[in-house]
Amino acid sequence: SQQGEEDPQALSIQEGENATMNCSYKTSINNLQWYRQNSGRGLVHLILIRSNEREKHSGRLRVTLDTSKKSSSLLITASRAADTASYFCATDSLRGGNQFYFGTGTSLTVIP
Amino acid sequence: EAGVVQSPRYKIIEKKQPVAFWCNPISGHNTLYWYLQNLGQGPELLIRYENEEAVDDSQLPKDRFSAERLKGVDSTLKIQPAELGDSAVYLCASSSWDSKDTQYFGPGTRLTVL
Repeated sequence: SQQGEEDPQALSIQEGENATMNCSYKTSINNLQWYRQNSGRGLVHLILIRSNEREKHSGRLRVTLDTSKKSSSLLITASRAADTASYFCATDSLRGGNQFYFGTGTSLTVIP
Repeated sequence: EAGVVQSPRYKIIEKKQPVAFWCNPISGHNTLYWYLQNLGQGPELLIRYENEEAVDDSQLPKDRFSAERLKGVDSTLKIQPAELGDSAVYLCASSSWDSKDTQYFGPGTRLTVL
């Protein structure tokens, strides 16, 4: 079963604009990750944020985590057409065991 | 460094036929995962291996699905017999012992059951 749920399900923006997508999850976690999936491809790891962190940056990516609300957001600044993809959040289980639960994904379209 | 390799990339079969998917993880990665991804959904774990041992197969439909990872390297996922509802993308991923939180995914096998 899916642990996380992304919002919105689909997002369409102009190149150069910022894109924000959100993830909500159900149970307590050790860390949360964001992955990107281009059409017909496997998932690519973008960034990991641990439960004791509130914000993390990587290039044009900014991730926040609010464990009290069980939610995370991914911000992509100055978007490019190449950012067009589906974005998934993945959470682990506090029980451990390296099992990750993926959300339903946000489909991002960046219009050139 | 070569990524996770999966084959075939696409497979079309008729229902009740058997099918097998193959995965070669990144060299040195001891953890291997098989996921199922339905259209418009995120991946869902089917089975996880630590070396050659299946440590989590609770989501694997054992009546028709089976998997093996002989010698703790390559892995094969089999469905016998396939049903219409098995049409999906089957993803393989691997991770290393010193970076367990990061999974590297293969391109997947898209299965269509007619």
